[in-house]
Amino acid sequence: GAGVSQSPSNKVTEKGKDVELRCDPISGHTALYWYRQSLGQGLEFLIYFQGNSAPDKSGLPSDRFSAERTGGSVSTLTIQRTQQEDSAVYLCASSLNPGGRTGELFFGEGSRLTVL
Amino acid sequence: AQKVTQAQTEISVVEKEDVTLDCVYETRDTTYYLFWYKQPPSGELVFLIRRNSFDEQNEISGRYSWNFQKSTSSFNFTITASQVVDSAVYFCALSTNSGNTPLVFGKGTRLSVIA
Repeated sequence: GAGVSQSPSNKVTEKGKDVELRCDPISGHTALYWYRQSLGQGLEFLIYFQGNSAPDKSGLPSDRFSAERTGGSVSTLTIQRTQQEDSAVYLCASSLNPGGRTGELFFGEGSRLTVL
Repeated sequence: AQKVTQAQTEISVVEKEDVTLDCVYETRDTTYYLFWYKQPPSGELVFLIRRNSFDEQNEISGRYSWNFQKSTSSFNFTITASQVVDSAVYFCALSTNSGNTPLVFGKGTRLSVIA
């Protein structure tokens, strides 16, 4: 499809395991964002990739979280040694240029992570 | 630092009523952008509007209207003659540094429109 694609849509894991979440942005979009949505907490910014610039990692909650974007396209968010508080919906978004200037972020449907 | 506050956690209205969703923002930048997004029960966020800090004209799009007031740092969203399909979580967001920063979102307002 032409939209932002995320996988898996649902992931249940045990505490302490590592998980990888994938985001396939819209072709040609240079900016890619990861957000986390917990119940009642709105959207929490995690990390932002813009072209070839160093990513803005200021939102990552701990060093257990990391993300990479290969070839300026697909991105993977990795959570190591998952904890129950990591349970949330992880949303990926992309935009043609930095989202504020371009006017619109396109969001995927999210990956729901449940840590038991 | 930038911040967006949506004080209303949940609102419930009867169909055909008008409803206003409040958004208050904080930033020291002079050039910034404000947004509203809708998240229906299906989960995918949908862009509604963007407004830059130099344009304080109110905007109307069908039953939707937005009131931007720099004096009170507010960017409120009104739905006129609400419908059941308007039921969703609505998020206000802010991008600063001339739009180069990631969007900062408020915690959202859950709107329920009852038939």
